[in-house]
Amino acid sequence: AQSVSQHNHHVILSEAASLELGCNYSYGGTVNLFWYVQYPGQHLQLLLKYFSGDPLVKGIKGFEAEFIKSKFSFNLRKPSVQWSDTAEYFCAVNGGGATNKLIFGTGTLLAVQP
Amino acid sequence: DTAVSQTPKYLVTQMGNDKSIKCEQNLGHDTMYWYKQDSKKFLKIMFSYNNKELIINETVPNRFSPKSPDKAHLNLHINSLELGDSAVYFCASTSGADTQYFGPGTRLTVL
Repeated sequence: AQSVSQHNHHVILSEAASLELGCNYSYGGTVNLFWYVQYPGQHLQLLLKYFSGDPLVKGIKGFEAEFIKSKFSFNLRKPSVQWSDTAEYFCAVNGGGATNKLIFGTGTLLAVQP
Repeated sequence: DTAVSQTPKYLVTQMGNDKSIKCEQNLGHDTMYWYKQDSKKFLKIMFSYNNKELIINETVPNRFSPKSPDKAHLNLHINSLELGDSAVYFCASTSGADTQYFGPGTRLTVL
């Protein structure tokens, strides 16, 4: 069965620090990978996605992620975080097929201190 | 211009009651989903409909019954509400295996 692991449950950073959030997935076939962000009290918004091609994908607000197939990883990065990046971050995998259901990781709560 | 909308945004009710949550998308998508986010923020899929046909039903108690009158709407009816049903319920939609777009969520509190 597909599963997604996010290693960091709670991350606290100061503004301007660099960010890397880990995501590993378990699935033997072709996958589509996503990072979603949920700001306090809001709905999930797409940060970036990987379907195929260049394994380094760039998303909104300066975020990027790298797909490393051999490590089954899709880590999220940002060189310099801002206070407004405080949010919950979810990695998700979609194995396609008839259902296209998203399997989410448990989320990482990022708190950026001004 | 709302892409995926849900009503109501907040729902507070007593145990044993029956309630419904509505979802509408104006993106022209053919697939819609219901997800449940628990108090620890864990998101889990509940149901999915494709062109009004149920394609995912993830071990959800049969007190939960989704209904899709057309491909732009997916409603969720919950019978005999229990304390453990308290959560945030998100609707989402997509076409094919592309990005899923989420609604604003419905925070259900069962007292």
